[in-house]
Amino acid sequence: EIVLTQSPATLSLSPGDRATLSCRASQSVLNYLAWYQQKPGQAPRLLIYDASNRATGIPARFSGSGFGTDFTLTISSLESGDFAIYYCQQRSDWPGTFGGGTKVEI
Amino acid sequence: QITLEESGPTLVKPTQTLTLTCTFSGFSLSTSGVRVGWIRQSPGRALEWLALIYWDGDKRYGPSLKSSLSITKDTSKNQVVLTMTNVDPADTGTYYCAHSSYGDYLGSWGQGTLVTVSS
Repeated sequence: EIVLTQSPATLSLSPGDRATLSCRASQSVLNYLAWYQQKPGQAPRLLIYDASNRATGIPARFSGSGFGTDFTLTISSLESGDFAIYYCQQRSDWPGTFGGGTKVEI
Repeated sequence: QITLEESGPTLVKPTQTLTLTCTFSGFSLSTSGVRVGWIRQSPGRALEWLALIYWDGDKRYGPSLKSSLSITKDTSKNQVVLTMTNVDPADTGTYYCAHSSYGDYLGSWGQGTLVTVSS
């Protein structure tokens, strides 16, 4: 089973700041990686798929990059609604494991 | 617009069987490439794939629970049912069903249902 490790566990930032979240895979997942955002009491929402493609309706301030084992989610300028937990997920191998999450807090 | 809604018991006793139903709209599970999955979120644990069913009837199960899970679909009712036998308090968590039309990425989710396993 592929293990995804996210860092940092918590990111303390202010509105307008740039957020950089990391996801590292225990083996190559090629570009088969997604990012999700989860707010309290809500289901996760797909932000990015195949490492760098924004899902429908996702603002351009969210961008993803990476290939193989190292991936990054960047939020260029944080807005109030962006403070949430972010998870990465790989689909290279079943089951498509999730990372442990990064909490972006104010 | 795609919607999914989970339903089932909120409290189950250890060793009992848990049956959850996902009722969806806005897509057909007979359309090529479509799949519906169940994912669990437990306190202190990562999101965990439980099971996935494909438009063509193919099924996959998470390895840790494979022997206790069953996933089925009723295309005419737009439902997917997850059955988990011999539940344990460690199975307490929020259970989500979700839709995928590309890869195993989950583009639409239900609101989740909290299941507590306790005597």
